[in-house]
Amino acid sequence: GENVEQHPSTLSVQEGDSAVIKCTYSDSASNYFPWYKQELGKRPQLIIDIRSNVGEKKDQRIAVTLNKTAKHFSLHITETQPEDSAVYFCAASGNAGKSTFGDGTTLTVKP
Amino acid sequence: EAQVTQNPRYLITVTGKKLTVTCSQNMNHEYMSWYRQDPGLGLRQIYYSMNVEVTDKGDVPEGYKVSRKEKRNFPLILESPSPNQTSLYFCASGPASGPYEQYFGPGTRLTVT
Repeated sequence: GENVEQHPSTLSVQEGDSAVIKCTYSDSASNYFPWYKQELGKRPQLIIDIRSNVGEKKDQRIAVTLNKTAKHFSLHITETQPEDSAVYFCAASGNAGKSTFGDGTTLTVKP
Repeated sequence: EAQVTQNPRYLITVTGKKLTVTCSQNMNHEYMSWYRQDPGLGLRQIYYSMNVEVTDKGDVPEGYKVSRKEKRNFPLILESPSPNQTSLYFCASGPASGPYEQYFGPGTRLTVT
């Protein structure tokens, strides 16, 4: 089955700096790679996603890149703000419907 | 308002007493799924459903059952709960039978003593 590894598990940055979270996956049949943000005590919410036929996608301060050959994808957050502090999860899924999540990265943005 | 609802939100029960956690969505989504979230382990998929009457095992299906008799509902059944099923459970739904975004419910915190 699919295996998703996410690094780092914790990340602390200064406000205004950039943050990068990386994930690797094992199943070449996976073709959809979302990123979810979970604030303390709340449900995960989709912040950005990418499909296997695209190499990069950007939405304001967040971007995701995908290297299908190397089977890794990354989340980039620029100009971080304290409200970006949360747990971020990557995931990989394919047409069969199964979704595998990484273990999460706790991002702390210090004012 | 488009949403995924779960009930109950909190539940404390004893080992062996059957329970059902309900999940309902009003977005006409075909895809629904159940996850459990444990500290340090992220979200692990229990079961998913691509459409009515179609369900499949996720990564951690042991000890759980599901059914999808109607498009909007996807209940999670624990026939004989055990303490290792103490966890935070999330239901999610998605707009199509395939790899698309998922919308999560508010979560159900279950404690089995």
